[in-house]
Amino acid sequence: NAGVTQTPKFQVLKTGQSMTLQCAQDMNHEYMSWYRQDPGMGLRLIHYSVGAGITDQGEVPNGYNVSRSTTEDFPLRLLSAAPSQTSVYFCASRAPNSFEQYFGPGTRLTVT
Amino acid sequence: RKEVEQDPGPFNVPEGATVAFNCTYSNSASQSFFWYRQDCRKEPKLLMSVYSSGNEDGRFTAQLNRASQYISLLIRDSKLSDSATYLCVVQGGKLIFGQGTELSVKP
Repeated sequence: NAGVTQTPKFQVLKTGQSMTLQCAQDMNHEYMSWYRQDPGMGLRLIHYSVGAGITDQGEVPNGYNVSRSTTEDFPLRLLSAAPSQTSVYFCASRAPNSFEQYFGPGTRLTVT
Repeated sequence: RKEVEQDPGPFNVPEGATVAFNCTYSNSASQSFFWYRQDCRKEPKLLMSVYSSGNEDGRFTAQLNRASQYISLLIRDSKLSDSATYLCVVQGGKLIFGQGTELSVKP
């Protein structure tokens, strides 16, 4: 079991560029989420999904899109990167009958 | 007011010390409570769930006070390897994370 994997580990973007952060899990978890972590702010929920084909907004969804075409994958798209999106992004998954979140190793994104 | 608030850090303690972290939450309808641990520049991992009756896992004890809406984590006999950031997490629908409290255990 690889658990939750994320790519890339590091990324530098220029303002206005777009990109997709990849997330995959091999635990057959229905629930998947994207968080961003900023100093002093804790983890904030961007988008989440309770199953393939179903997504919903979290606390800070503006500037991000998600889709969930399979149980395994949950990519996060930055439409037009802004310096305010400089952060560490974590993908997480869990089974519906469990409260334990499994996190990926994170993607460190810098927008210049 | 933040939904989940934790003690400000960092806590700097010597090896063998006992250290306690507190966390308060604002939503009285919250159902489940957890402590996660996050090592520097790594992903958070579940440390322990927090039950109404209190629970212990080795050197770690977690307590929940629903009336006062706070959760605590006690670490006894601190080890160097306990150095990390401890995140208080509350579930009432979605998981809400506190900003974390940094612990540094010194020799």
